Amino acid sequence: GESVGLHLPTLSVQEGDNSIINCAYSNSASDYFIWYKQESGKGPQFIIDIRSNMDKRQGQRVTVLLNKTVKHLSLQIAATQPGDSAVYFCAEIYTGGFKTIFGAGTRLFVKA
Amino acid sequence: GAGVSQSPSNKVTEKGKDVELRCDPISGHTALYWYRQSLGQGLEFLIYFQGNSAPDKSGLPSDRFSAERTGGSVSTLTIQRTQQEDSAVYLCASSLGLTSGGATGELFFGEGSRLTVL
Repeated sequence: GESVGLHLPTLSVQEGDNSIINCAYSNSASDYFIWYKQESGKGPQFIIDIRSNMDKRQGQRVTVLLNKTVKHLSLQIAATQPGDSAVYFCAEIYTGGFKTIFGAGTRLFVKA
Repeated sequence: GAGVSQSPSNKVTEKGKDVELRCDPISGHTALYWYRQSLGQGLEFLIYFQGNSAPDKSGLPSDRFSAERTGGSVSTLTIQRTQQEDSAVYLCASSLGLTSGGATGELFFGEGSRLTVL
C-alpha cells in the first residue's frame, strides 16, 4: 500500500533527553501533515499537525518541523518520558483530497 | 459513544471463510476510513468514505475486499474467502475532514479489529 517513508525504524533514548523522529514524504503537492502516536493495542492518536505554509509548529513538549525543499518532516519531543514510549507515524494529506497516507512508523523506547 | 467503536475486537477464522468487520464512527463525522496494519508495520490505506459514497477505493487489495457505509454512519468491511495474508489489525477512523474554515484533518481511530486467519 501507499506509505510515507521514515529514516529510522527504532529509536532508543534516555529519560529526560530530547527525541527527534524523522520522516520523508513523497508528494510535493501534500499540504498538510500530522504526527500520530500509537501505543500498544490501541489506534493511533493525533499529536500535532502542520500545514505546508508553515515551517515550524510547537505544542506541549513537542515541535514539528517541515522542510518542503527536501520533503522532510521531523517530530521533536522535549524531556522524553517513559509514557512517550510508542510507535510514531507521520502522515501526509494530498491537496484537495482527504486520503491520509501513513509512514511505516518509528518505535521510540525510553530508558529510565 | 464518544469515540470510534469497532467490532469484533478479535476474530479468528479459517481460511476460505468470509468475515465482516464493523465500524461505528463518531457522531457527526462525515468522513470514514479503513486501514490495515500488519504486525510491526505501518498503516495501509484501504478505502475512504465521504458520507455514504466511497470516492477512493484504491487501497482495497483485491476483489475479495469490499466495504459499505449506510446512513452516513456505520460501515462494514467484508473480506470474502479469507487468506492467511489477510491476517492483520483492521483500523477504522473517522474525521470531520478538512474545510475552508480550518477544521483539522485529524483522524480519530478505533482500537481495531484483530483478524487471524488460520
